[in-house]
Order: sequence, then C-alpha cells, then structure tokens
Amino acid sequence: NAGVMQNPRHLVRRRGQEARLRCSPMKGHSHVYWYRQLPEEGLKFMVYLQKENIIDESGMPKERFSAEFPKEGPSILRIQQVVRGDSAAYFCASSPPIGAMNTEAFFGQGTRLTVV
Amino acid sequence: KNEVEQSPQNLTAQEGEFITINCSYSVGISALHWLQQHPGGGIVSLFMLSSGKKKHGRLIATINIQEKHSSLHITASHPRDSAVYICAVRTKYGNKLVFGAGTILRVKS
Repeated sequence: NAGVMQNPRHLVRRRGQEARLRCSPMKGHSHVYWYRQLPEEGLKFMVYLQKENIIDESGMPKERFSAEFPKEGPSILRIQQVVRGDSAAYFCASSPPIGAMNTEAFFGQGTRLTVV
Repeated sequence: KNEVEQSPQNLTAQEGEFITINCSYSVGISALHWLQQHPGGGIVSLFMLSSGKKKHGRLIATINIQEKHSSLHITASHPRDSAVYICAVRTKYGNKLVFGAGTILRVKS
C-alpha cells in the first residue's frame, strides 16, 4: 500500500508562471489536507478537501491559490502568477473517511517550490 | 500567542543522553500528534495520542489532557535521532492539524 504520493518533489518556476502540485492520497483515503511550510517557519494549514468538495479553505490565501480533489485522479494545489514569497515546501496529508477525526497523520514527501 | 507552543526551540545533546521535548496547547483537541522531519525530508508520524502514554522503541510520548501538555522523550539518544520534532494538535471541531514551531534536535557523537 503506497503512502501519500506527491509530485513533483522539486519545482522551479519563474515569477508570474503557474505552479501545479499533485497529491495522490493513500489507497482508501478520501480526505486530503494541504499544508505549507515557509522557510524558517512552522507548518500551516491551507485547505481540507474530500472528493469533489472543499470542506475548509480557511488557510488559503485569498488570491492566486486554488485546490481541487476530483472524483478521479489526484488532488491538485494550483498557484497562479507565482511570486518569490510562494517559495516553500507544500505537504499533503490524507486520512480515511470513517473516524477521520482521530486518525494517524499520513504525510507525503512534500513538494519544494522555488520561485526565481 | 500560538495555539501550540513547543520547547525548547533548539536542543543539542550528547549521544546516549535522555531527551525531553515539551508541547503545550491552548485549544480543545481530539488528538495530539508527534511528528519527525529530517532536513529536506518528508514528515513522519511518530505518535498519535488522546490520553495516557505510548512507547515505540526508544521513543515515549505522554499527554496530560487536564494540563493541556504533552512530552516526547527519547532514551539513549543517537545521532540518527537528529531531526526536527513537531507537535501538532487536531482541533476538537475540525479535522485540520495545528502545528507547533518545531524543536530542532542535534545529537552529537
């Protein structure tokens, strides 16, 4: 049973380009969470999704950031018109649908985004 | 004030020493997690606690719900334990994790 898979592991974008980060949850998991770790800072919640639904996006910046988790395929975190301040490690975590309130935290390896 | 506070921020120990990392939180929680992150690496879950104490190898985690406090202990520390240790709480009324700032541990041989 493969763990949470994120790709790419490293992504370099020029200012103004778009960044797409992908997350495939563990098999059987239908809840996905995105977290951001800025340089020298702790992890911060961004968004919580179930299949085809955004449950909590209270941590998402108001502009340029969006997330989806379609019925088929991975969850995508999309950052439009990237700026240098978007450079960070973006982590995805997943959990199963039943008893999701008290489950282990399963994290991917992260995507390190560098904006040049 | 952060909802999750960890101490110390940095910790240097000699190989073999007993290590304690502390975590205090100010919100209602359904569970507390201890996580490990190596430089440039992913995040690994060490423990999930909602009460009492858990042990895995040389690692021990405890939680006191009334005091809103948890500790992570490492016995007989080893250089390979060098990593960032992060305390995270799952809030009572949501599924998201709220993280402490992390403790950078360096174990010297």
